[in-house]
Amino acid sequence: SQTIHQWPATLVQPVGSPLSLECTVEGTSNPNLYWYRQAAGRGLQLLFYSVGIGQISSEVPQNLSASRPQDRQFILSSKKLLLSDSGFYLCAWSPGQSYGYTFGSGTRLTVV
Amino acid sequence: RKEVEQDPGPFNVPEGATVAFNCTYSNSASQSFFWYRQDCRKEPKLLMSVYSSGNEDGRFTAQLNRASQYISLLIRDSKLSDSATYLCALVYGNKLVFGAGTILRVKS
Repeated sequence: SQTIHQWPATLVQPVGSPLSLECTVEGTSNPNLYWYRQAAGRGLQLLFYSVGIGQISSEVPQNLSASRPQDRQFILSSKKLLLSDSGFYLCAWSPGQSYGYTFGSGTRLTVV
Repeated sequence: RKEVEQDPGPFNVPEGATVAFNCTYSNSASQSFFWYRQDCRKEPKLLMSVYSSGNEDGRFTAQLNRASQYISLLIRDSKLSDSATYLCALVYGNKLVFGAGTILRVKS
């Protein structure tokens, strides 16, 4: 069966520090991969998605970037965090566009 | 206009009640539709897909009205454990777009 792993679960980082969040999927190949952010009490905002290795689509201009160095690995990065980057970051995967997405357990990021 | 709109609630209902949520969307090219459930401080989990013919899963019934561009979720015989935020979602292109969610609180 397919599983999605996301870490760390919780992160507290100072303003201006770098960020790297990793997401991996097991048990499938060539998944569609997604990064979402959810601010406290708000809905899910799509940040990036990828339909293949090296293919990244950005939905929201910001100081975040994403990379997909391997088929089942999706990384979210920032060179310098802002206070406004705080939130609940969720990785998700899907076998195709007609299927529901499965989410990882998320990373709760607090920028201080 | 937002791509997906939901009444944020909260809907406060007694155990055993029937409750319905609606969700409207603006993009007529949307291809697939879903309802998700999100518990406090957890990731969203897929509750059910939504088909044009309507579909049922136990106490949950989902329907899609493409002409009016809305989807609905009906929960019968509400349980305390149904308390959560319910998110509607739709796909167009390669993106899954979510509504902001409707809060349901079931009380004894």
